[in-house]
Amino acid sequence: AQSVTQPDIHITVSEGASLELRCNYSYGATPYLFWYVQSPGQGLQLLLKYFSGDTLVQGIKGFEAEFKRSQSSFNLRKPSVHWSDAAEYFCAVGLDSNYQLIWGAGTKLIIKP
Amino acid sequence: SQTIHQWPATLVQPVGSPLSLECTVEGTSNPNLYWYRQAAGRGLQLLFYSVGIGQISSEVPQNLSASRPQDRQFILSSKKLLLSDSGFYLCAWSVLGRPDEAFFGQGTRLTVV
Repeated sequence: AQSVTQPDIHITVSEGASLELRCNYSYGATPYLFWYVQSPGQGLQLLLKYFSGDTLVQGIKGFEAEFKRSQSSFNLRKPSVHWSDAAEYFCAVGLDSNYQLIWGAGTKLIIKP
Repeated sequence: SQTIHQWPATLVQPVGSPLSLECTVEGTSNPNLYWYRQAAGRGLQLLFYSVGIGQISSEVPQNLSASRPQDRQFILSSKKLLLSDSGFYLCAWSVLGRPDEAFFGQGTRLTVV
């Protein structure tokens, strides 16, 4: 069965430090990959997506993610985090078979001043 | 441009009372529509999705139901709320027939007392 794993429930990073959030998926075919961000009490906003082509994808708010087929991973990165990046981040896989999204459990990002 | 409206933002209901959450989409036709529930630390749980008027698929059997009386209207209902129905409910839409990004409403915080 298809699944998405975000191994880190919480991550704490100092403001200005670099960030990497991990996402691994299990899916037989080439997936459509997404990262979303959710601020407290709000809906989700798309940060970036990968469908095909260049495996390094640029998104909004200075985020990027790299698709590594050999590792079944799509990790999210940012070179220097800001306090406003504190939020919960969700990785998702889109299935070509039924157009559904399979969601990871989320990683809560905490920014230390 | 497309917009999605979800209301109310917060709701406190007694056990045994009915529920109706409404979601409408503007600026697009024939969208996929989704209802998700989000529990703390558990990511997004897909409750219902719809690919057309009157077409509802249920992912998780429970005390809730969904209806799509119009192309861009999606309603989440319950005849008798349970304490366990408390949570954060999110409506979303995506382009029909593609495993593409989903656009989310702002969510409804439901507390059953």
